[in-house]
Amino acid sequence: EIVLTQSPDFQSVTPKEKITITCRASQSIGNSLHWYQQKPDQSPKLLIKYASQSFSGVPSRFSGSGSGTDFTLTINTLEAEDAATYYCHQSSSLPRTFGQGTKVEIK
Amino acid sequence: EVQLVESGGGLVQPGGSLRLSCAASGFTFSSYSMNWVRQAPGKGLEWVSYISSSSSTIYYGDSVKGRFTISRDNAKNSLYLQMNSLRDEDTAVYYCARDGEHWGSYPFDYWGQGTLVTVSS
Repeated sequence: EIVLTQSPDFQSVTPKEKITITCRASQSIGNSLHWYQQKPDQSPKLLIKYASQSFSGVPSRFSGSGSGTDFTLTINTLEAEDAATYYCHQSSSLPRTFGQGTKVEIK
Repeated sequence: EVQLVESGGGLVQPGGSLRLSCAASGFTFSSYSMNWVRQAPGKGLEWVSYISSSSSTIYYGDSVKGRFTISRDNAKNSLYLQMNSLRDEDTAVYYCARDGEHWGSYPFDYWGQGTLVTVSS
């Protein structure tokens, strides 16, 4: 099973800041890494697919990078509505796995 | 607009059974593989099961293998999860999520709103 480890687990930031969340895979997964945003009491929503491709309708302040085992989600110019938990997810092999999540709080 | 609507959740005793449904609309359901993903209260996401568009390929996570059965009815645009021998640790919100059109590496691009399953005596 591929283990995805996100860091940090929690981040408290002010609006307009830039934040970076990392996801490390226990083995190489190429670019089969996707990022989701989950707001409280809502279902997850796809933000970034295949490490760096923005999903339809996602604001341009969200971007992703990486390949192999190390991946990054960057949120530029953070807005209040970005308060959420962010998850990475690998589709390289079974079982499909998710990172433990990174909760982003807006100060 | 792609829509996935789950139903069938509720309170069930340990050892009991429950059948979840996911009604799909806004896309050609019969062309896409589908998944069930669950989230225990206050916890992260756990993949449960996958079914291909034609139901020819099915996979399960180890924690539910032998107890849960995934199925679909393309004529009714519906996905199902039959859950038997339920345990306390199966308590979670269950989401259906769309996969790709073939087996391979795809994100889960659309998710339902989820249905809560509570296993408790």
